[in-house]
Amino acid sequence: GNSVTQMEGPVTLSEEAFLTINCTYTATGYPSLFWYVQYPGEGLQLLLKATKADDKGSNKGFEATYRKETTSFHLEKGSVQVSDSAVYFCALRASNTGKLIFGQGTTLQVKP
Amino acid sequence: DAGVTQSPTHLIKTRGQQVTLRCSPKSGHDTVSWYQQALGQGPQFIFQYYEEEERQRGNFPDRFSGHQFPNYSSELNVNALLLGDSALYLCASSLTGNFYEQYFGPGTRLTVT
Repeated sequence: GNSVTQMEGPVTLSEEAFLTINCTYTATGYPSLFWYVQYPGEGLQLLLKATKADDKGSNKGFEATYRKETTSFHLEKGSVQVSDSAVYFCALRASNTGKLIFGQGTTLQVKP
Repeated sequence: DAGVTQSPTHLIKTRGQQVTLRCSPKSGHDTVSWYQQALGQGPQFIFQYYEEEERQRGNFPDRFSGHQFPNYSSELNVNALLLGDSALYLCASSLTGNFYEQYFGPGTRLTVT
């Protein structure tokens, strides 16, 4: 079946450090891939998406590239800020379905 | 433009009771999906409603049921509550055919004692 695996957290970084959060997936066909962010006490916000292989999603300095050959969609940011502290979820949506399948989430803590 | 709204914000129920959670989708959206997020976990898909019918269902027992109204708002009902039903329940809305953009509400925190 379809599934998403994220790196274990928490990830603790200093402000302006480089961020990578690993995400790999298992799916049949050609899924769409997403990163969602959840700030404390809030719902999920779509951060970025990629709908086909080699697409790069980007938003607010975050980037992720859809790599079909490695079934990966790693999240990166060149310089994190304290305000980026949140839980990040990788998710996939299989073709012809509205159902999102989420990873377990990775907590990011950025210290000043 | 109001986003997705959910009510109530928090709820405490006793084992065996029944609960109803409510969701109003983002303006212009006609499809509503419900997710359960246990503490420290990613959201799990419960079901999706479109045109007032359940269109897809995840791996949840029949104790979980839903409804969609003509104005596209939706309810999630859970019967015979178990301690394990304690979670954050998230509603997401989208426009049919455009599942690339699903907008989530802030959730309802359900605690079962």
